[in-house]
Amino acid sequence: EPEVTQTPSHQVTQMGQEVILRCVPISNHLYFYWYRQILGQKVEFLVSFYNNEISEKSEIFDDQFSVERPDGSNFTLKIRSTKLEDSAMYFCASSDTTPSYNEQFFGPGTRLTVL
Amino acid sequence: SQQGEEDPQALSIQEGENATMNCSYKTSINNLQWYRQNSGRGLVHLILIRSNEREKHSGRLRVTLDTSKKSSSLLITASRAADTASYFCATLRGSTLGRLYFGRGTQLTVWP
Repeated sequence: EPEVTQTPSHQVTQMGQEVILRCVPISNHLYFYWYRQILGQKVEFLVSFYNNEISEKSEIFDDQFSVERPDGSNFTLKIRSTKLEDSAMYFCASSDTTPSYNEQFFGPGTRLTVL
Repeated sequence: SQQGEEDPQALSIQEGENATMNCSYKTSINNLQWYRQNSGRGLVHLILIRSNEREKHSGRLRVTLDTSKKSSSLLITASRAADTASYFCATLRGSTLGRLYFGRGTQLTVWP
C-alpha cells in the first residue's frame, strides 16, 4: 500500500543552524502538508501546498520556514535558523483530491532536536 | 476549549471490552477524521466522517457524528492489547483549505 515517507527519522542540530526535512508524498497526491507536534502537545498545522504554491499557513509558519517541491516527488520543509522551541516531531501529509472529501495520510515523522 | 477536544484524556480497559472516546468541536466542519498514534510514532488514519454523515463503520471501529451537538465518538469493539495507543480527532473546518485541527487525544491502554 502506498505511504508517505520522511527522512531523516531523527535530526539533531545546533541552535541557529539550517535544517531541511524531506518528505515523499504518495505519488498521485496533489495536496501536501506539514504539521508538527511538540512533545506532549497537540498536533499543529504549519502549511499546506497545492499547485506549487502555499495554500494556507499558520501563525507558526513565519519567515524562518519555507517549503518547496523541488521535483516531482519530494516535498521539503526548511527551517533557516533553528531555535530551541523548534524541537518537535514534524509530520508530512498528503491527500489526493480536495481536502474537504478525502483523508490526509501522514508520514512517520522526523524528530527534530535543537540543542 | 479549542477545536477538537477529546475525552476522556486517558482510558484503561481490559482486552475484549469496548472503548469509547469522544470529541467535541466548536465551529462548523466539512469532515472529522480519527487518527491513531503509537507512542513516539506517526499518525495512522483510521476513519473519516463527513458532515452530512451520522455513522460510519470500519472493521471494529464505529464513528458517530452529531453536528447539532458538535461532537463525535469513536467506538472500538472487542479491544485488543495492540489497540493501545493515543487516539486523536481532527476536524476540517468549512473555511479552510485542508488545515486539520487536532485535539489533545485520548490515551487508550488495553490490558491483556
